[in-house]
Amino acid sequence: EAGVTQSPRYAVLQEGQAVSFWCDPISGHDTLYWYQQPRDQGPQLLVYFRDEAVIDNSQLPSDRFSAVRPKGTNSTLKIQSAKQGDTATYLCASSSGTANSDYTFGSGTRLLVI
Amino acid sequence: TQTVSQSDAHVTVFEGDSVELRCNYSYGGSIYLSWYIQHHGRGLQFLLKYYSGNPVVQGVNGFEAEFSKSDSSFHLRKASVHWSDSAVYFCAVRDPGTQVVGQLTFGSGTRLQVYA
Repeated sequence: EAGVTQSPRYAVLQEGQAVSFWCDPISGHDTLYWYQQPRDQGPQLLVYFRDEAVIDNSQLPSDRFSAVRPKGTNSTLKIQSAKQGDTATYLCASSSGTANSDYTFGSGTRLLVI
Repeated sequence: TQTVSQSDAHVTVFEGDSVELRCNYSYGGSIYLSWYIQHHGRGLQFLLKYYSGNPVVQGVNGFEAEFSKSDSSFHLRKASVHWSDSAVYFCAVRDPGTQVVGQLTFGSGTRLQVYA
């Protein structure tokens, strides 16, 4: 079974530039999560979906971040105008959405904003 | 709101030693607790979880964890560590959510350094 695939692996931006991250979850997993992990910290939820619907985006900085999952499969997370404080690893995870299901994480995208 | 506390930021041991990484949680609902390992520059890899049943759960690579409701703990243990176990370990609790299975809330992590 293929795992969760993320791209790109790395991104380096100047402040003010835009960037998009892409995630392909495990086939059949209806729930998809985006986490932000600053250096030397635990992952923090940004947004999660069930199918194409946003379930919780309360931690997503809506003025510059957006996330979509239009067909309930792949997802894109976009930063419109990056800031140095956005420097972090962005992790995507998926699960089957059942009570005992596991969460499978991708390898992440490491973003550096200079 | 659930919280997860990992009291030890760094743990250093030698190969062959036993180790316990501590995790305490604050949540009164249905329990789902898990541990993940993160090697440098990599994503999170699942080690084990507790959802119900036997409070001692076995995971990959010889790791096990014990759920204690009375202590609000879910400590991770390994009887004999290898240098390749050096990594950051995260404890996580799941918020069951209101409609669907919710997100994981992570602790701050414990960096385990194993010397050969």
